[in-house]
Amino acid sequence: DIQMTQSPSSLSASVGDRVTITCRASQDIRIDLGWYQQKPKEAPKRLIYAASSLQSGVPSRFSGSGSGTEFTLTISSLQPEDFATYFCLQHDSFPYTFGQGTKLEIK
Amino acid sequence: QVQLVESGGGVVRPGTSLRLSCAASGFTFTNYGLHWVRQAPGKGLEWVASVSKYGTVTPYAESVKGRFTVSRDNSRNMVSLQMNSLTIEDTAVYSCARNIWSSSFDSWGQGTLVIVSS
Repeated sequence: DIQMTQSPSSLSASVGDRVTITCRASQDIRIDLGWYQQKPKEAPKRLIYAASSLQSGVPSRFSGSGSGTEFTLTISSLQPEDFATYFCLQHDSFPYTFGQGTKLEIK
Repeated sequence: QVQLVESGGGVVRPGTSLRLSCAASGFTFTNYGLHWVRQAPGKGLEWVASVSKYGTVTPYAESVKGRFTVSRDNSRNMVSLQMNSLTIEDTAVYSCARNIWSSSFDSWGQGTLVIVSS
């Protein structure tokens, strides 16, 4: 199985900060990775697909990069509505696997 | 708009069965793969099972293989997860999600809670 190691597990930041979250895959997954945002009591929302493509309707302050085994999600300037949990999903091969999640909190 | 609505969760005893359903609307059902994902209390997300557009491909997580069966009814826009021989470790919120096969999930439901307890 492909292990996805996500870091950090939690992050405190302020409005306007730039933040980066990383997912590392235990083997090459090409660009078969998505990034998601989840708020309490809500379904996850896809932000990025194919590692770096911005989902329609998602603000451009969100960006993704990487390929192979290392991937990053960057939020260029945090907004109040961005405080949530973020996770990655590899869909290169079954079993699909997720990063453990990053809880982004207000400093 | 796209909607995925899960139902069927509840409290059950170990060793018993439960059937979850996910009703889809707002899109062409047969264009998408459907998936079940779960999250146990305080734990991360775990992919459980998938079903391809016409039901021909149904991979399962090792933790549920032989106990869970995923199926879809393309005439009713529904996907189901039959869960047998439930254990305490199956306690989780179960969500369905869709994708263009082999891409990442682009829509998720909010989930249904399954509690397995004696």
